[in-house]
Amino acid sequence: DVVMTQSPLSLPVTLGQPASISCRSSQSLVYSDGNTFLSWFQQRPGQSPRRLIYKVSKRDSGVPDRFSGSGSGTDFTLKISRVEAEDVATYYCMQHTHWPHTFGQGTKVEIK
Amino acid sequence: EVQMVESGGGLVQPGGSLRLSCAASGFTFSSYWMSWLCQAPGKGLEWVATISPDGTQKYYVDSVKGRFTISRDNAKNSLYLQMNSLRVEDTAVYYCVRNGQDWGQGTLVSVSS
Repeated sequence: DVVMTQSPLSLPVTLGQPASISCRSSQSLVYSDGNTFLSWFQQRPGQSPRRLIYKVSKRDSGVPDRFSGSGSGTDFTLKISRVEAEDVATYYCMQHTHWPHTFGQGTKVEIK
Repeated sequence: EVQMVESGGGLVQPGGSLRLSCAASGFTFSSYWMSWLCQAPGKGLEWVATISPDGTQKYYVDSVKGRFTISRDNAKNSLYLQMNSLRVEDTAVYYCVRNGQDWGQGTLVSVSS
């Protein structure tokens, strides 16, 4: 199985400051068709997860542009350009290039 | 509006069975891959199973193979998860998910004696 490793697992940030979460996979996530199936999800306390980013860097509809995804191969990053109070949540990366689909452990973003 | 509504969760003893249902609306159900994912209390997300639009392809995480069966009824816009031989470690909120993008509110499965 592909192991997804996120860091850090806890991220205290100051409002208005940037935040960055790393996600590394144990093998390349490039599919045979050239696509890389790496997504990012946000889960606010008490809510269902919400997809923010798919195929590494494509933002879902309605996702603020302060969220961006980047990376390739085995190294990926989710960045929040300026953290807002509503961004307090746990963030997960997930690969769906290989079966079984696997998630990172989650990164809890909190306000300092 | 895309909507998935799960039902069928509850308290069951180890070794018991449950059938989860997901009623989908707001999109052409028969065109989409559908999945079940879960989250144990206080833990992270885990993918459980996925089914192709026509129901011919099914994929499972190893821990549920031979115990869980994913299925769908495109005429009823419904997704199912038959859960047999339930274990304490299957306790979780189970989510119905469309194409990774849209999630239901989840249904809680508790396995305990």
